[in-house]
Amino acid sequence: EAGVAQSPRYKIIEKRQSVAFWCNPISGHATLYWYQQILGQGPKLLIQFQNNGVVDDSQLPKDRFSAERLKGVDSTLKIQPAKLEDSAVYLCASSPRGTDQPFGNTIYFGEGSWLTVV
Amino acid sequence: SQQGEEDPQALSIQEGENATMNCSYKTSINNLQWYRQNSGRGLVHLILIRSNEREKHSGRLRVTLDTSKKSSSLLITASRAADTASYFCATVPLFSGGYNKLIFGAGTRLAVHP
Repeated sequence: EAGVAQSPRYKIIEKRQSVAFWCNPISGHATLYWYQQILGQGPKLLIQFQNNGVVDDSQLPKDRFSAERLKGVDSTLKIQPAKLEDSAVYLCASSPRGTDQPFGNTIYFGEGSWLTVV
Repeated sequence: SQQGEEDPQALSIQEGENATMNCSYKTSINNLQWYRQNSGRGLVHLILIRSNEREKHSGRLRVTLDTSKKSSSLLITASRAADTASYFCATVPLFSGGYNKLIFGAGTRLAVHP
């Protein structure tokens, strides 16, 4: 079974520029997540999709971050304009189901997209 | 917002020793999960324990959960150099609207020396 695919793996941009990250979840997974992980910290949930609808984006800085999941499959996360404090790893993850069922709670993570804003 | 807090922040041990990491959380949960993250890599799911369970085992891993104290511990027995990684606890809040919302703590950095 293929894992969660993310690209690009590494990106360096200047502040005020824009960047986009792409994620392809595991086939058939209904729930897709974007997490931000700053060096030395735990991942912070930015946005959670159930199929192609947003179920939680309370911690997404909506003035500069946007995300979409067209057709309920792959997703893109965009930052525009980027700030220095956006330097982080952006982790995409997926899980089979959205509800708390016994075998649906494992979340599978991609390798992450590393962003450095200079 | 961070739900779980791990303790210690960093742990350094010798191969063969046991490693114990603790996690405390604030709100009622549906389940608690532990993940491992090797340097520069994504997170790997280790084990899930539900709120009505007290202990679970998986290979050299043992997880306990005390919902009255809102705490959990991860024990790695007979550690190996390959266990060197960061370990995170993550919780699914009880009232998460039926969605699998996972909230992470800050993690424990484990170093196992040969």
